[in-house]
Amino acid sequence: GQNIDQPTEMTATEGAIVQINCTYQTSGFNGLFWYQQHAGEAPTFLSYNVLDGLEEKGRFSSFLSRSKGYSYLLLKELQMKDSASYLCAVRKTDSWGKLQFGAGTQVVVTP
Amino acid sequence: EAQVTQNPRYLITVTGKKLTVTCSQNMNHEYMSWYRQDPGLGLRQIYYSMNVEVTDKGDVPEGYKVSRKEKRNFPLILESPSPNQTSLYFCATGQGPAEAFFGQGTRLTVV
Repeated sequence: GQNIDQPTEMTATEGAIVQINCTYQTSGFNGLFWYQQHAGEAPTFLSYNVLDGLEEKGRFSSFLSRSKGYSYLLLKELQMKDSASYLCAVRKTDSWGKLQFGAGTQVVVTP
Repeated sequence: EAQVTQNPRYLITVTGKKLTVTCSQNMNHEYMSWYRQDPGLGLRQIYYSMNVEVTDKGDVPEGYKVSRKEKRNFPLILESPSPNQTSLYFCATGQGPAEAFFGQGTRLTVV
């Protein structure tokens, strides 16, 4: 089986930094993904990590530690439009096509 | 313009009446996948397809069928819908390791 855990909700102030953690247990690992989903809309791809380390894309960064089964998504210089659900998803090695998602973290940005 | 198009966007139907949700993409992606999204459960994969005529089960395939006769289309078929299949459905496509594009979603209600 595979458990993917992330906090349910986080609140932060505009301009601040928020870190969303994701832990996973898997018998085989082939990449971890972060998606953003605004209410009522489709998820949009943010980042992909398959090797340990930090991947930076503008205000968003994603980190992976395979040995710890741990990832985080860092959102810097928060803007009101960053209020959304952030989804962590893991792909397994034994079945390339399978992707399993966590339940998502709702980030609320306040003025 | 890169697009993943789902139809219909909204559907209310009755128990047992067969229905099909279509998904079409214009990006020539080999990989396509279907998910359902329910509150508190996140996105759960129903079926996926690595290429034409190649389909495989995700985590929640019961009650669903798919086909992949051509690369651009990946319809989701509910032969005998039941109320527990009331959900928000997403189709997704990708060419690389990440699923980069999601359709707009189909909100299905089975009464």
